[in-house]
Amino acid sequence: GDSVTQMEGPVTLSEEAFLTINCTYTATGYPSLFWYVQYPGEGLQLLLKATKADDKGSNKGFEATYRKETTSFHLEKGSVQVSDSAVYFCALSDYDMRFGAGTRLTVKP
Amino acid sequence: DAGVIQSPRHEVTEMGQEVTLRCKPISGHNSLFWYRQTMMRGLELLIYFNNNVPIDDSGMPEDRFSAKMPNASFSTLKIQPSEPRDSAVYFCASSERENRGNAYEQYFGPGTRLTVT
Repeated sequence: GDSVTQMEGPVTLSEEAFLTINCTYTATGYPSLFWYVQYPGEGLQLLLKATKADDKGSNKGFEATYRKETTSFHLEKGSVQVSDSAVYFCALSDYDMRFGAGTRLTVKP
Repeated sequence: DAGVIQSPRHEVTEMGQEVTLRCKPISGHNSLFWYRQTMMRGLELLIYFNNNVPIDDSGMPEDRFSAKMPNASFSTLKIQPSEPRDSAVYFCASSERENRGNAYEQYFGPGTRLTVT
């Protein structure tokens, strides 16, 4: 069945460092891809999405490009801030939504 | 829009007691999902409804868990009797879903933190 695999955490970075969180997927159809973020004590929030190949989703300085040839949707940010500390989930939806295991990011000042 | 509303936000109960968690989805959304999140098992889908009908309850851990959606604006997740291993954060989420089945992004509520002692 459809599934998502994202890099294991935790990831610890210094403020202003470059961030990459890897996400690859397996799907038989043409899913939409998402990144969600979960701040401490809160529910998951949609961060960005892409609905077809080569689409780039972006929000709050984060970006991810839907790469069909490599079945990937890696999350990137050029300069992270302490406030970006959270758990990030990659997800896909074709018929049903499938979430990755989550990657915890800690940004230190 | 108020977003997905869950109540209570925190629940502490003793083993053996009945627990009822409540969810109000976003108006106009026709799919509703219940998730459980723990450190050990991560985010698990328990059950989801489409147009108030349960579609897949294969994630419900055992018969002690039950969920209902009597109308488009309300759902409950009940645990009876509760056990300490049920302690977790329970999330409700809602989304639109086209009739042909393509899922849209899900919007999550703030969660209910359940502690069973």
